[in-house]
Amino acid sequence: QVQLQQSGPGLVKPSQTLSLTCAISGDSVSSSGAAWNWIRQSPSRGLEWLGRTYYRSKWYNDYAVFVKSRITISPDTSKNQFSLQLNSVTPEDTAVYYCARDPEYSASILDIWGQGTMVTVSS
Amino acid sequence: QSALTQPPSASGSPGQSVTISCTGTSRDVGGYNLVSWYQQHPGKAPKLLIYEVSKRPSGVPDRFSGSKSGNTASLTVSGLQAEDEADYYCCSHAGRNIPHVFGTGTKVIVL
Repeated sequence: QVQLQQSGPGLVKPSQTLSLTCAISGDSVSSSGAAWNWIRQSPSRGLEWLGRTYYRSKWYNDYAVFVKSRITISPDTSKNQFSLQLNSVTPEDTAVYYCARDPEYSASILDIWGQGTMVTVSS
Repeated sequence: QSALTQPPSASGSPGQSVTISCTGTSRDVGGYNLVSWYQQHPGKAPKLLIYEVSKRPSGVPDRFSGSKSGNTASLTVSGLQAEDEADYYCCSHAGRNIPHVFGTGTKVIVL
């Protein structure tokens, strides 16, 4: 049974970096079929896909255009997890952040989700 | 990439059916048979209900069904039950580097 467990701070100051981690059990971050995603949800902006990382002989990343200049998603094969870093945050980045698995990176399915982390950007 | 358009709310009595629309463009919904639907109860993560327009993952009741015509996808919930009261989101592939574009969400109310 695949599970995703998120961790990271719930409060980040403006202009600083938001960092979250998603630990994987029951699958591998290096799986040749899957992609590992970050999504966020806020009342004003709804659900927004932020980006993903996946392995196909080498590591690839895709990022949403609206955060491309500020985001990094990184795998950690030694801990079987992946992380999100979002730089230069503003209050508009306040949201619930989710990690999720796409079991077939070309099929646009999000079948397993983390529990969500409420992140507030405030001084 | 703009969000897909869904009605804000839909309602029905127990046992009835409700259908939710999800309207996009030829660059997303209309261009690929890669539409999925998610159910979200308050305070919980979204749950996959439908993928590839009309396929159900193991464990999802056959009361939930999906379809697509042109740039509009639809989710039908038949035989409404109290536990179906939740928010529902569609999602579509929109190109190689845009795997997930979400809809605006629809709150289903069981009267």
